Amino acid sequence: DAMVIQNPRYQVTQFGKPVTLSCSQTLNHNVMYWYQQKSSQAPKLLFHYYDKDFNNEADTPDNFQSRRPNTSFCFLDIRSPGLGDAAMYLCATSLGQGRAFFGQGTRLTVV
Amino acid sequence: AQSVTQPDIHITVSEGASLELRCNYSYGATPYLFWYVQSPGQGLQLLLKYFSGDTLVQGIKGFEAEFKRSQSSFNLRKPSVHWSDAAEYFCAVGTSTSGTYKYIFGTGTRLKVLA
Repeated sequence: DAMVIQNPRYQVTQFGKPVTLSCSQTLNHNVMYWYQQKSSQAPKLLFHYYDKDFNNEADTPDNFQSRRPNTSFCFLDIRSPGLGDAAMYLCATSLGQGRAFFGQGTRLTVV
Repeated sequence: AQSVTQPDIHITVSEGASLELRCNYSYGATPYLFWYVQSPGQGLQLLLKYFSGDTLVQGIKGFEAEFKRSQSSFNLRKPSVHWSDAAEYFCAVGTSTSGTYKYIFGTGTRLKVLA
């Protein structure tokens, strides 16, 4: 039973063309995270929502935006993808300080 | 600043041999510590976590980890490795700042298992 669902699993986008990745959860967790993971590297936190409060990491480029219209859904928008943005994007949720549950990830390719 | 260090980038063991993956953290308060496993092209699966109490924690798939405050370590162990354990392993610390909560990951250790 999938609890954190990311769509699509694979996304190919053109250089400079806006793209949106989606994440939904059935856990009713109040915290949702977006991580970027490049090949053979650790997941890097881009931002997270604590309830409706948006928390951006200091080094997250302005090119990356996020929306959380309700508890269940969170979106990652990349306004103008560059070749360097090709990566696996991981969504995760947690209930306060509890363990994080991760989705399967969306692998983004920029052509 | 909070950080997590996994000194070993790659480890190779023979099937049936014991395994220890090292993790050191830097965090001012009592840490929440996690080990996650990632198979190629997949998300992260939680193996085990430490919040408080017994410093030896048991996880899934026969893994265990020991929290040693004096050494700022949280090493992952398994007495007998199976070929299906080949994957990448990430240690993480959960940090709490100003009412928000996030996870900081180590750079990972890639485990290869020889038949």
